[in-house]
Amino acid sequence: AQSVTQPDIHITVSEGASLELRCNYSYGATPYLFWYVQSPGQGLQLLLKYFSGDTLVQGIKGFEAEFKRSQSSFNLRKPSVHWSDAAEYFCAVVPQTGANNLFFGTGTRLTVIP
Amino acid sequence: SQTIHQWPATLVQPVGSPLSLECTVEGTSNPNLYWYRQAAGRGLQLLFYSVGIGQISSEVPQNLSASRPQDRQFILSSKKLLLSDSGFYLCAWVTGGFAYGYTFGSGTRLTVV
Repeated sequence: AQSVTQPDIHITVSEGASLELRCNYSYGATPYLFWYVQSPGQGLQLLLKYFSGDTLVQGIKGFEAEFKRSQSSFNLRKPSVHWSDAAEYFCAVVPQTGANNLFFGTGTRLTVIP
Repeated sequence: SQTIHQWPATLVQPVGSPLSLECTVEGTSNPNLYWYRQAAGRGLQLLFYSVGIGQISSEVPQNLSASRPQDRQFILSSKKLLLSDSGFYLCAWVTGGFAYGYTFGSGTRLTVV
């Protein structure tokens, strides 16, 4: 079945530590890939996206993500986490076939400890 | 500028009561419009999408319905709410393809009691 998987429900990191959030997808053709962030009680903000080309994508707020076709993954990274990064992070895809709708993973909640 | 408005921000409704959530978009024309729901402990589920006035597609069967009476207005409704309808409802739009990603409203927190 087609799906987007975020295997980590909750991650806790110390401020200043590095961060990696995992995302795997299962689609016949590589979908278009996105990462969104949701602060408590807020809507979603786009961090970055990948359509094609360079597999390392830079986004806002110091985030980056790397597309690895062989692993069907699109992991989000940040070298040094700030307390304001505490939020829920969603990986999402638009399949290359179909109605161009956006489908989300279940999300990873990030807690940052001082 | 392009903005999306969603209201109300918070809503508490009794079981069996009707529901109407409204979403409007400004600064764009002929957008694709979407309703998502985020239930506690779950990800975002696509409920409905619309590619034009009066055109509604449903992704999942449920107690809810959607309508698009105007180009930039998208309404989510229910005749009789269930407890399971509780959640965070988000409206989103995209226009001219999704190269810039989808833009989301600030959401409505619905609690059915």
